[in-house]
Parts: sequence; C-alpha cells; structure tokens
Amino acid sequence: TQLLEQSPQFLSIQEGENLTVYCNSSSVFSSLQWYRQEPGEGPVLLVTVVTGGEVKKLKRLTFQFGDARKDSSLHITAAQPGDTGLYLCAGDSNYQLIWGAGTKLIIKP
Amino acid sequence: EAGVAQSPRYKIIEKRQSVAFWCNPISGHATLYWYQQILGQGPKLLIQFQNNGVVDDSQLPKDRFSAERLKGVDSTLKIQPAKLEDSAVYLCASSWTGTEYGYTFGSGTRLTVV
Repeated sequence: TQLLEQSPQFLSIQEGENLTVYCNSSSVFSSLQWYRQEPGEGPVLLVTVVTGGEVKKLKRLTFQFGDARKDSSLHITAAQPGDTGLYLCAGDSNYQLIWGAGTKLIIKP
Repeated sequence: EAGVAQSPRYKIIEKRQSVAFWCNPISGHATLYWYQQILGQGPKLLIQFQNNGVVDDSQLPKDRFSAERLKGVDSTLKIQPAKLEDSAVYLCASSWTGTEYGYTFGSGTRLTVV
C-alpha cells in the first residue's frame, strides 16, 4: 500500500514567521501536487512538481521535489493569516493520486 | 471558466435514510471523481469515471453506495441506507484525462447522519 505521510499534522504560528511542511513516502511518484483547502471548500491546486530536485516558487511559497521523487516540502516565508488552511500533498502513481492526510496550518495575527 | 458545481451544500439525515448528491464537472473534463473526506483527514477516492465508464470503484462500499454518470457529463452519488460513519464531506472533482494538470474540486456536500 502506497502512503504519503505529511508532517506536522498541525502547526500554529504567528504572522511573519517562516515554516516548512513535509510530505514523505517510500514510493516513487511521477509527479507530486500540493493543494490548499479552506474550511467549507474543496482543495485548490497550488503547484505540480515533476522533476526530481525541482524547485518552484509561488510568491512566498517554495515547493521542492526530492531528488528521488519520494518526498516534497513546502516552505512559506513570512506567513500571513491568509495562508491559514489545510495543506494536502498528492502523489501521482500510475495516473492515480495518492493523498496525504494534510497539515492544518493556522497563522495568528 | 465555471467551476465544478455540487449540490446540496449541506444535508442532515437520519441513519438508514437515503441521500443523493449531484455534481456537474467543468465542461470538457473527461474524468470525474467522487471523494469522501472525514474531518481532519485527506480525501479518500470513492469512484473515478472516464467519460461515462467506471475506471476505479475499489473503495466504494457497494452494498450502500452507488454512482452513475450516464451521459458522461454530470454525476450522482447515492447512499442507501446511510450509517453514522458516513458523516463526512463528499467532494466531486474533475480533470482532463490524466492527473498532470491537477484536479478541480467542487465545494463539497457536508453530510451529517444522526
């Protein structure tokens, strides 16, 4: 059974701080996607990383795909209350997405 | 472009009753997914359609859940009879063929079974 483990499960920090969340697996994925989900809404795609070692930046968010394509990280610089939400990673395996359980992030003003 | 439409947004039913959810995907998206998301967890795939055919329903509790996508466009998911443990958010998503462009999700239906 393929698993994607996300850590931490929950993170509460002050506005302006930096943070990193992780997505790890023992399986290799052809690509990995990050989504953010706000309360009462469905997940929204943030980014897809495809190449081992790839780094993508989306304003204050930096996404990295591990060299072996088994893990990924999301780094947020100078977090803002608008970053609050559930961050989900999903790995593409044989054209199906394997989902992590998510990291619930709260940014306090 | 219009997003994925789902209805209703909320539903409260008693156990053993039946319920149906509706989803209209983004126009042109061949693949449609129904997910179950329990509070604090990631989405769990229930069923995947490619046009009007089922690609994967391995995690669908077929004794009580059913889904159809008759014309390859909109879809319905039904639960009959509902159990307490079915309380969750039911998310519909659609995509172009394949996963490389990501999925577009609807806002979901929050089901409470009492």
